[in-house]
Amino acid sequence: GIQVEQSPPDLILQEGANSTLRCNFSDSVNNLQWFHQNPWGQLINLFYIPSGTKQNGRLSATTVATERYSLLYISSSQTTDSGVYFCAVEVDSWGKLQFGAGTQVVVTP
Amino acid sequence: DAGVTQSPTHLIKTRGQQVTLRCSPKSGHDTVSWYQQALGQGPQFIFQYYEEEERQRGNFPDRFSGHQFPNYSSELNVNALLLGDSALYLCASSFGNTIYFGEGSWLTVV
Repeated sequence: GIQVEQSPPDLILQEGANSTLRCNFSDSVNNLQWFHQNPWGQLINLFYIPSGTKQNGRLSATTVATERYSLLYISSSQTTDSGVYFCAVEVDSWGKLQFGAGTQVVVTP
Repeated sequence: DAGVTQSPTHLIKTRGQQVTLRCSPKSGHDTVSWYQQALGQGPQFIFQYYEEEERQRGNFPDRFSGHQFPNYSSELNVNALLLGDSALYLCASSFGNTIYFGEGSWLTVV
């Protein structure tokens, strides 16, 4: 099956700092999504991004499908950005997701 | 419009027991998928239901079974619980390219 690797596994940021999270995948995929998981467990979709660049407020994402990687940028981080960020790839046309192991982000005041 | 709702939110079971988890999808969503998330790991796909049939299945034993009802709601059943089944169970509903996750059911097996 497709392998999804995320780096770094952990990230500690001071409020206001910028950061980049990376997702590598081992084969071509239908789509790629970034999620944020809050402390209560809920996964919130941040981006559907099979290719190209998208921005949503302080967050932006870029996927280079031909090179099989995606990047999530967090700018001017806030404490509310803390949580686990997952990259997930759609491995078939029915939307089955293969997740990476996540990046645990802690933003300190 | 309510999102994806799951119940119960937390439960504790004893090894060997059986458990049923429930999921109500977002309005208009006809596809329900279940994922298991062990502590410190990413979610793992269990199976997906569409039109009341199991459409595809991940690498989980037959102890894991499910059902989808005509109103698209779904149940996940796990028989003969093992300690290793302790995890967060996530339900996701989707329609086309849009997917939403519920807050999950935290299962502890003791």
